[in-house]
This record gives sequence, structure tokens and C-alpha cells, in this order.
Amino acid sequence: AQSVTQLGSHVSVSEGALVLLRCNYSSSVPPYLFWYVQYPNQGLQLLLKYTSAATLVKGINGFEAEFKKSETSFHLTKPSAHMSDAAEYFCAVSELGNEKLTFGTGTRLTIIP
Amino acid sequence: DTAVSQTPKYLVTQMGNDKSIKCEQNLGHDTMYWYKQDSKKFLKIMFSYNNKELIINETVPNRFSPKSPDKAHLNLHINSLELGDSAVYFCASSLGGTGVTEAFFGQGTRLTVV
Repeated sequence: AQSVTQLGSHVSVSEGALVLLRCNYSSSVPPYLFWYVQYPNQGLQLLLKYTSAATLVKGINGFEAEFKKSETSFHLTKPSAHMSDAAEYFCAVSELGNEKLTFGTGTRLTIIP
Repeated sequence: DTAVSQTPKYLVTQMGNDKSIKCEQNLGHDTMYWYKQDSKKFLKIMFSYNNKELIINETVPNRFSPKSPDKAHLNLHINSLELGDSAVYFCASSLGGTGVTEAFFGQGTRLTVV
């Protein structure tokens, strides 16, 4: 069964600092991995996805993530945090033959001015 | 043009009532979903439909009944509402059939049962 673990339910970084949100997955077959962002009182927006092509994936708003099979990880990074990045971030996994997204518990990102 | 739209956005109702949430997508996707987000922000799938056929039913109480009149619409009807049903319900859609479940989400319906 597929699953995702997000370490750190709350992460605070200073404006301009590096953002690192952690995600580890478990899957019995090669996974497809996603990061979604949720702003207050809104739906989920796709930031980026890994679909077995390049292991370093670039997304919107300057975010990127690297798929590391040996570590079963898909951590999300951004070199320089902006106030507008404050939101809830969700890592998710799907796999061929299992047409659903399984989400992690989310990480709330706070940006300190 | 909104890709996945659901109505209403807010729903406040009394225990025991029956209510429906409607969802429509204009992306031409084959697969639609209902997800529930609880007060701790945890997202869990409830149902998935592919071309009007129920694919996933994740041990949801049978008070919840999805209906898909066509592949662009997926509605959720809830009977005998309980306090524990209070949550945000998200509709989503994806292309389907590839395993790459890149889902597009609606804005959510915040259901409050009092």
C-alpha cells in the first residue's frame, strides 16, 4: 500500500532563507509523487510532480523537488522564501493501477519577516 | 473559466438533515473524486468515479452516496447528517488511466453540522 510521511507539521523560516519541506514515501511499485499547496480557505494547487522522468523536478513559484529512490524521499525546496509562500503544503503519492492520491499530513509553512 | 467547480462553498445545517454538494469539471477528464479534509487538515479519499463508474469507495458510511450523471459531474449526497461530518469536502478530477493521478481540485465546500 502506498503512503507518505511528512516530517514536521510546522516549519518556520525567515524571509529570504532556504525552504526545505520533507517527504518520504512508501510504495510497492514505482511511485508518482506530487507536491500541492493550499492557501487559506482555498483548494489545492499542484506545485510539481515526479513521473519517472528527471529526478530533479522544477515547479511553479520557484519550488523544486528531488526524487531519491535510495532514500525514498521527495523533499521540496526553494532557495529564497517569500512572504507569499506561507501556506499548507501536502506531499502525495499515486501509483499505476491505483488511481488515487494518498496524502501526507501536511506541513504548515510560516515565513518570518 | 473555472476548471473544477463545486457548490455550495459553505453549508451550515442541522443534525439529521440531508444535503447535497455538486461538482462539475470542464477539463474533459475521465476520473472524478471526492476527498474529505478534517479539522486537522488531513485529506482522505472518499470516492472515485471513472466514466460514471464507481472505482473507489473507501469505507465511507453508506449515508454518503455519490452520483455521477455524466463524466463531467459528480455529486455527493449525505443523509442524516452527524456532527462528525463537519469538514471541508473537495471535488477533484484527473485524466485517469495512467497512474499519474495529477488531480485538479475545486475550491472546497465547508460543511458545518450544528
